[in-house]
Amino acid sequence: HVQLVQSGAEVKKPGASVKVSCKASGYTFTDYYMHWVRQAPGQGLEWMGWINPNSGGTNYGQKFQGRVTMTRDTSISAAYMELSSLGSDDTAVYYCSRGHYAWGLDYWGQGTLVTVSS
Amino acid sequence: EIVLTQSPGTLSLSPGERATLSCRASQSVNSNYLAWYQQKPGQAPRLLIYGASSRATGIPDRFSGSGSGTDFSLTISRLEPEDFAVYSCQQYGSSPLTFGQGTKLEIK
Repeated sequence: HVQLVQSGAEVKKPGASVKVSCKASGYTFTDYYMHWVRQAPGQGLEWMGWINPNSGGTNYGQKFQGRVTMTRDTSISAAYMELSSLGSDDTAVYYCSRGHYAWGLDYWGQGTLVTVSS
Repeated sequence: EIVLTQSPGTLSLSPGERATLSCRASQSVNSNYLAWYQQKPGQAPRLLIYGASSRATGIPDRFSGSGSGTDFSLTISRLEPEDFAVYSCQQYGSSPLTFGQGTKLEIK
């Protein structure tokens, strides 16, 4: 069965960077895009971007352009999301999610809480 | 960017009642690529409906989606206790993908 397992919670200081991992299993990793979505405390879902694990191509939301980098390692079926220049408004749960052009985001990781605090 | 507006913000109903949630897009959603997600506290979202009206794998048939273009809805025919949660719509037909702000379905 499909599983997306994310790395553990992080606490970072303002201005630092964070890198979250997402390890996929139960399907062919390169057959589906991997999306990243975040959710600030008490707020709605916010799409950050996707990576095509096959080609490595990416598409980032304009809000995150220049600050986010999505990568993958096909040898271990893992995707990564790195966010730099962290501010307090980056405190959120970050999710990876498998995406299909017609089915939407059908499987989600368990989420990784990133707390930005001095 | 397509803005999705959900209504109502909060819906108070009792188990056994019918729930209808609305999602309106600021412009037409390509190929009706509109999804609905359910989210419970401390959990990741769960895909319920994709393509505006197709149920995802394992989703009970009391959940149904309808609509096209700019107006979409999610209906839960008879509410079960486990259905009380936050529901979000999302369009994935054009970039950037966008979500509605969510509707909280609470027990009356």
